[in-house]
Amino acid sequence: EPEVTQTPSHQVTQMGQEVILRCVPISNHLYFYWYRQILGQKVEFLVSFYNNEISEKSEIFDDQFSVERPDGSNFTLKIRSTKLEDSAMYFCASILSWAEYNEQFFGPGTRLTVL
Amino acid sequence: QKEVEQNSGPLSVPEGAIASLNCTYSDRGSQSFFWYRQYSGKSPELIMFIYSNGDKEDGRFTAQLNKASQYVSLLIRDSQPSDSATYLCAVRGSQGAQKLVFGQGTRLTINP
Repeated sequence: EPEVTQTPSHQVTQMGQEVILRCVPISNHLYFYWYRQILGQKVEFLVSFYNNEISEKSEIFDDQFSVERPDGSNFTLKIRSTKLEDSAMYFCASILSWAEYNEQFFGPGTRLTVL
Repeated sequence: QKEVEQNSGPLSVPEGAIASLNCTYSDRGSQSFFWYRQYSGKSPELIMFIYSNGDKEDGRFTAQLNKASQYVSLLIRDSQPSDSATYLCAVRGSQGAQKLVFGQGTRLTINP
């Protein structure tokens, strides 16, 4: 069964460092997302991406964040200068189309720890 | 701010009983509603989706939607200890909005 994959599973970084979180969405999916979940809190939308551009972003997704689809398979989230409050689980998701019944498939997540 | 509200629990249910999970949402234009299960440290896993008023059944799970009341629920029949998890209600918003808005989740414990 196709699945979304994410690497690394756990990333530890120092405050102020840049991190890149990687995702490989399901191959025929067209819409890609990043969500984050701070420990003990709700899953929050960060950004959606379609046709090589951002289609929607939340207020969390400020200038420190960027996304890219550098090739036909990878989808990356970059945080330029990490802060302590960026520590969270980051989930990548993809969906085939906007049809109401289509499921967003979530990857296993990357746990980011900022020290 | 579009919100999705759930009782955070914990909700404790004896094995074999019915677990009832509830969710309300603020965006009246919301189109689709999803229930995800999340085990600790894992990613959300879709259980059911519903987009028409009424009930939708899938095995031991029944989702109920009332758009007039902006209310969606999930019933789990014959609860099993393996159903113990956090259940997330998620709403896909008005036309043109692609993202899912999640509630804070209800932690469910099934007691053997």
